[in-house]
Amino acid sequence: GEDVEQSLFLSVREGDSSVINCTYTDSSSTYLYWYKQEPGAGLQLLTYIFSNMDMKQDQRLTVLLNKKDKHLSLRIADTQTGDSAIYFCAESKRDGSSASKIIFGSGTRLSIRP
Amino acid sequence: KAGVTQTPRYLIKTRGQQVTLSCSPISGHRSVSWYQQTPGQGLQFLFEYFSETQRNKGNFPGRFSGRQFSNSRSEMNVSTLELGDSALYLCASTPTGSSYNEQFFGPGTRLTVL
Repeated sequence: GEDVEQSLFLSVREGDSSVINCTYTDSSSTYLYWYKQEPGAGLQLLTYIFSNMDMKQDQRLTVLLNKKDKHLSLRIADTQTGDSAIYFCAESKRDGSSASKIIFGSGTRLSIRP
Repeated sequence: KAGVTQTPRYLIKTRGQQVTLSCSPISGHRSVSWYQQTPGQGLQFLFEYFSETQRNKGNFPGRFSGRQFSNSRSEMNVSTLELGDSALYLCASTPTGSSYNEQFFGPGTRLTVL
């Protein structure tokens, strides 16, 4: 299957940590990504992780990958109002040739409350 | 370096008409992918072009087609428009030889079918 699933909404208080979760079904995925979409804009790659890693940290962002459970999470430390956006989890799959496609989750809308 | 550009940004059509959307990738990027984004279905992969050849295709009816030109610019066409084709159409380009298949997205074309 090609499903990538994530919860639709998350609300956190400004300054707290946000944790956005995602599950995927294809264990052959090579890369997993987190993209951010702000209102009226396209998607922007936030971070990615190779499937043989279990953690990646980049400033306020921490990505955790549990390959056994096919679970990916994105933690945003010290969440700010500018972090309000839709966050998409995605996986990259190659089909045996040089072609690959990105399968996206439905997106999690993160809202920040004061 | 200029980002991915898409034209037009907004489009209103009526059922039964056809539409052509255009995407100019980042200079030097030869891979262009198209996605349809709707509130109900999320982000769905349409097709990917590389060096003027369709390399991958999603599960959309034949009314959706695309092409890529020698300068890597891409167009997608939707014939016999239906109300359900109303969506944000996103184009993304990938650097040649990218090891992690990062996609750079344009701002999208919002198509409304009346």
